[in-house]
Amino acid sequence: NAGVTQTPKFQVLKTGQSMTLQCAQDMNHNSMYWYRQDPGMGLRLIYYSASEGTTDKGEVPNGYNVSRLNKREFSLRLESAAPSQTSVYFCASIRAFFFSGANVLTFGAGSRLTVL
Amino acid sequence: GIQVEQSPPDLILQEGANSTLRCNFSDSVNNLQWFHQNPWGQLINLFYIPSGTKQNGRLSATTVATERYSLLYISSSQTTDSGVYFCAVLPLYNQGGKLIFGQGTELSVKP
Repeated sequence: NAGVTQTPKFQVLKTGQSMTLQCAQDMNHNSMYWYRQDPGMGLRLIYYSASEGTTDKGEVPNGYNVSRLNKREFSLRLESAAPSQTSVYFCASIRAFFFSGANVLTFGAGSRLTVL
Repeated sequence: GIQVEQSPPDLILQEGANSTLRCNFSDSVNNLQWFHQNPWGQLINLFYIPSGTKQNGRLSATTVATERYSLLYISSSQTTDSGVYFCAVLPLYNQGGKLIFGQGTELSVKP
């Protein structure tokens, strides 16, 4: 059982290049999230998908787009990368945001992105 | 939107000491979790605790939902407890599943 898998683990981009971070979960979770982590800033929510077919902006959505491809997969796209997007990106999933039982967020290992 | 504040931002302990980390939130929640991020960046769930008290070995957590705070207790700290501790909350009154983190408490346990 792999849990949440993110690819790539590391990526270096030049300003203006585009790329997509891939995320897949095998736990049959409904809700999926993308966070970025910068030193001293904690984890900030970029976009989330409460259920298949829906996506919503989080705290810091500018410069990003997302696609909930199916129940398993949630990708994050940088259309024109900027140095300010240098960060560690985490994908996470949860059974369902409305689930009233034990509802634990599971993280991927993270993707370290550097934009030059 | 909901605000999540953690204190203290940094904490240095000698091995064997006890500590209390706090998480305050500005609105009602139906999901609260504590995480530990180890020095390698891995995020591990410690507790799912929207209310009440739970214990797991040297760690315990208490959430007082009516007063909008949660506490994480670490007893007899060990160097392996070092890292950053985060709380995360899901607002009760439907922000559609937006799960928000506090800024974390960075703990360093010295031998």
